[in-house]
Amino acid sequence: GQQLNQSPQSMFIQEGEDVSMNCTSSSIFNTWLWYKQDPGEGPVLLIALYKAGELTSNGRLTAQFGITRKDSFLNISASIPSDVGIYFCAGRPPQGGSEKLVFGKGTKLTVNP
Amino acid sequence: DAGITQSPRHKVTETGTPVTLRCHQTENHRYMYWYRQDPGHGLRLIHYSYGVKDTDKGEVSDGYSVSRSKTEDFLLTLESATSSQTSVYFCAISDYTEGTAGYTFGSGTRLTVV
Repeated sequence: GQQLNQSPQSMFIQEGEDVSMNCTSSSIFNTWLWYKQDPGEGPVLLIALYKAGELTSNGRLTAQFGITRKDSFLNISASIPSDVGIYFCAGRPPQGGSEKLVFGKGTKLTVNP
Repeated sequence: DAGITQSPRHKVTETGTPVTLRCHQTENHRYMYWYRQDPGHGLRLIHYSYGVKDTDKGEVSDGYSVSRSKTEDFLLTLESATSSQTSVYFCAISDYTEGTAGYTFGSGTRLTVV
C-alpha cells in the first residue's frame, strides 16, 4: 500500500531555533496535511495544502506541497516550548479510497528552554 | 467545541474480557474511523465507516469489530482483549469532499490490558 516516509523521527532543539521536517512518498497525493499532537491529546490540523507548489503559512509555521506531488515539508520558525509534540504528515491519494488518509509515522519534537 | 467525544478516556481491563469503546460525533459527518497509536508505528487504521451500517477493515483489524447503527455513534469492540491491544485508540471523523481539510480527531482512549 501507499506509504509516507516522514523524517526525522525525532528532534531535540533549543528554544529559538528553526525546525524543518518532511514527508516523501513514491505515490502522488492530491492533498497534503500537517497535524500536531500534544501529549495526551488527539492530533489537531495545522495546515492543509491542496495544489502542487502551494506554500502556506500559519503563524510561525510554513508548509509546502511539493511540485511532484510526492512530498511536503513543514518549517517552524523561532521555536518555543509549546511547540513540543508529535507532528504528523498525511496525504490524500487521488484514486479510489481517497476518503482514507495515509499518515506518516510522526516527528517527535522536543524544545529545550 | 469538541464535536467528537470518546469514552472512556482511560480503561484497564483483564485479558480475555470484552471491551467496547465509543465515539460520538455531533457534526453529522459521513465518515468515521478508528485508529490505534503505538510507539514506532504512528497511527494505524483499524476500521472505518462510510455510513450507517457501512463499515470496512483497515490495516490492523484482526481482533476488532465495529458497529455503526446511528450516524453519530461508532463503536469499537475488542471481543476478547489481549495484551497486544494495549494502546491509545483514536476516533476520527470526516465529511470528505474534494478540497476539504481532512479528519478531526477525538482526544483518545488509553486502554491497558493486564
